[in-house]
Amino acid sequence: ETGVTQTPRHLVMGMTNKKSLKCEQHLGHNAMYWYKQSAKKPLELMFVYNFKEQTENNSVPSRFSPECPNSSHLFLHLHTLQPEDSALYLCASSQDLGAQYFGPGTRLLVL
Amino acid sequence: DAKTTQPTSMDCAEGRAANLPCNHSTISGNEYVYWYRQIHSQGPQYIIHGLKNNETNEMASLIITEDRKSSTLILPHATLRDTAVYYCIVRVGTNFNKFYFGSGTKLNVKP
Repeated sequence: ETGVTQTPRHLVMGMTNKKSLKCEQHLGHNAMYWYKQSAKKPLELMFVYNFKEQTENNSVPSRFSPECPNSSHLFLHLHTLQPEDSALYLCASSQDLGAQYFGPGTRLLVL
Repeated sequence: DAKTTQPTSMDCAEGRAANLPCNHSTISGNEYVYWYRQIHSQGPQYIIHGLKNNETNEMASLIITEDRKSSTLILPHATLRDTAVYYCIVRVGTNFNKFYFGSGTKLNVKP
């Protein structure tokens, strides 16, 4: 499925690096989400953007900084991450109260 | 938040129906039940959702009990490609979807 794309698919970074994850949705949706999935843990909702406005921040550390320039694009800026931040980062989108459609995820490894 | 409980794992023979149960005894009247599945480290895939009536689409059927305290996802003819973790989720929120993923049920479809 190509409705929600994420780049890069894999990322290795050091604790002092700065990197960004990109998500793009081609479904015409008005809400976008970032989730984190650590090994052997359930998906955790990180951020929600509704009509480009951030409406949810689930106590995420400030080393994760989201950006939503328009309703089709969502970024997650990363800086000074810790090894425990290694995880699968998933982006999703929805139209109003409809189902969320997920991208394939970015597998992040922090060394 | 309405919580869900699901069995940790289930086995199903290829070609047979797979019936995946979910308990959501604290569900509120306006909360929908959603089902997703995740195939090994890919993004979760939307399957089906419902409020109180039974629903069917090309992938599955959703049976919700009259008191809405439990539901069953039915894959009518399971194939090996249906092997995945299946998540039952109760949607929280009225303005947008806030999904809380649990641990899900690992469905193993065997030849």
